Amino acid sequence: KNEVEQSPQNLTAQEGEFITINCSYSVGISALHWLQQHPGGGIVSLFMLSSGKKKHGRLIATINIQEKHSSLHITASHPRDSAVYICAVGRNNDMRFGAGTRLTVKP
Amino acid sequence: NAGVTQTPKFQVLKTGQSMTLQCAQDMNHEYMSWYRQDPGMGLRLIHYSVGAGITDQGEVPNGYNVSRSTTEDFPLRLLSAAPSQTSVYFCASSSYINTGELFFGEGSRLTVL
Repeated sequence: KNEVEQSPQNLTAQEGEFITINCSYSVGISALHWLQQHPGGGIVSLFMLSSGKKKHGRLIATINIQEKHSSLHITASHPRDSAVYICAVGRNNDMRFGAGTRLTVKP
Repeated sequence: NAGVTQTPKFQVLKTGQSMTLQCAQDMNHEYMSWYRQDPGMGLRLIHYSVGAGITDQGEVPNGYNVSRSTTEDFPLRLLSAAPSQTSVYFCASSSYINTGELFFGEGSRLTVL
């Protein structure tokens, strides 16, 4: 079983919808990262969390350390949000990644 | 500010050939790392470095070699390429090991025939 599990694997939404992507992990961590990979392949960091909640524009990330679970929310989704969203957990010097959630937002 | 620069973007090798993927960052980050990305498997850590002169293995280090002679550069060497090393490779850097924002290079697509 993968140490980092994401759901759903694929998600299709209509423009304007509220989107939630989930990440569960099975190991103790020092931090959790949410990454965005664009169709062209480039990867950018969205959030780094060790507790609580962070917000940046229309994106919100939360983490529950006790339940080993994090969520990424996108409010008022837009076609430009179409990408693969990747959850990654840092433990000591190691990093483990989820397989990603492919999001398609239709106009 | 260039961030993380990775070269080459594309490379085709024959089995048994060697090559080096270059990675350079201009943000004075101590932590640098190499990952490979394969379809359906997500990113996997190959090697990492926490500073000049210090390197260590990640999840999938076999067949790869790294060195860190300067803070800026962290090259990844394939000693004898195998078809199983066909993948997309990403270099990343961070100011703090696992608790800082990760900055990724644009990726290098390697095909081994």
